[in-house]
Amino acid sequence: AQSVTQLGSHVSVSEGALVLLRCNYSSSVPPYLFWYVQYPNQGLQLLLKYTSAATLVKGINGFEAEFKKSETSFHLTKPSAHMSDAAEYFCAVSEEIASKIIFGSGTRLSIRP
Amino acid sequence: GAVVSQHPSRVICKSGTSVKIECRSLDFQATTMFWYRQFPKQSLMLMATSNEGSKATYEQGVEKDKFLINHASLTLSTLTVTSAHPEDSSFYICSAGQQGDTEAFFGQGTRLTVV
Repeated sequence: AQSVTQLGSHVSVSEGALVLLRCNYSSSVPPYLFWYVQYPNQGLQLLLKYTSAATLVKGINGFEAEFKKSETSFHLTKPSAHMSDAAEYFCAVSEEIASKIIFGSGTRLSIRP
Repeated sequence: GAVVSQHPSRVICKSGTSVKIECRSLDFQATTMFWYRQFPKQSLMLMATSNEGSKATYEQGVEKDKFLINHASLTLSTLTVTSAHPEDSSFYICSAGQQGDTEAFFGQGTRLTVV
């Protein structure tokens, strides 16, 4: 069975600082991995996805993530945090393209002025 | 990317009544759609897989008689919450994808409040 674990339910960084949100996955087959962002009372927005092409994936809003098979990780990073990045972030895994997605527990990102 | 539309975006209903949520793929055909539920400050949990022309597949712990799913066409799946209770209040969101896509597309979600 597939699953994802997000380490840290809440991460707080200063504006301009590095953002690092951790995600580890478990999958019996080569996975498809995603990061989504959710602003309060809104739906999901796809930040980026890994679909077995390049291991370093660049997404929207300056975010990127690196797929590391040896570590079963797919951590999300952004070099410099903006206040507008404050939101809930979900790591997710799927074993088939455009199939059901299993979400992590989420990480709330807060940005300090 | 493809567009998935949910309706309504918000609904308030009385305890004991039923409410229907629609999920439409606007510019593609979806033989499979997925329904998720998100309680406040929690993650999204897959409820069921909706299959066009056949019965839905429910995840463990989800009552199929309470959450009725109908996928009568290739562009529409509906979720009906029957005999709603306040504990059913949640954010319900659907997704769909088509062959060849590298991701599933999500609807905007439906905020259900049962009073």
